[in-house]
Amino acid sequence: SQQGEEDPQALSIQEGENATMNCSYKTSINNLQWYRQNSGRGLVHLILIRSNEREKHSGRLRVTLDTSKKSSSLLITASRAADTASYFCAPSPNSGNTPLVFGKGTRLSVIA
Amino acid sequence: DSGVTQTPKHLITATGQRVTLRCSPRSGDLSVYWYQQSLDQGLQFLIQYYNGEERAKGNILERFSAQQFPDLHSELNLSSLELGDSALYFCATGGSHGELFFGEGSRLTVL
Repeated sequence: SQQGEEDPQALSIQEGENATMNCSYKTSINNLQWYRQNSGRGLVHLILIRSNEREKHSGRLRVTLDTSKKSSSLLITASRAADTASYFCAPSPNSGNTPLVFGKGTRLSVIA
Repeated sequence: DSGVTQTPKHLITATGQRVTLRCSPRSGDLSVYWYQQSLDQGLQFLIQYYNGEERAKGNILERFSAQQFPDLHSELNLSSLELGDSALYFCATGGSHGELFFGEGSRLTVL
């Protein structure tokens, strides 16, 4: 299965702290994507990292990818209450037009 | 705003009934994906269409069907509804690198 598995299932931190979420997967990938979902809303694409990349940054987000370990991590620095959401990783076996399979996500709570 | 439009936003119906959910993709996107999200099952991929043709099938029940029309909008038909079909149904369309753009979903409540 190309489904990613996020860990931890839930994470609670104080505002201003960093939040780290991990993702493990089982198949070879072309890229791996991270999404955020606010409660009851649609998923929002955050960042895509290709299999030949090891690290990528976007604002307060930092994503790493270790294809030898089939794992990725998402770091949110200086978290804010607005970062409270569920975060999903989605390994993709090719560059497009393949359905993404989502796990149960990491539920992040940022306490003000 | 993802550019993907789903209607209706909320729908309440009774068991045994049939409903149709509609999705308008982003301009130029040929792929449409349907997902179901419930509390116990998480986010499940149902079906994908690409330029009017079915491309991939996931955990879609036989009571459910979908189609994509020439103007690329898509409809998901749910029939003989059961209590367990209550869920959020999302439509997503594909970007040029495989990323997905999700609509805000249709919340279905079956009573």
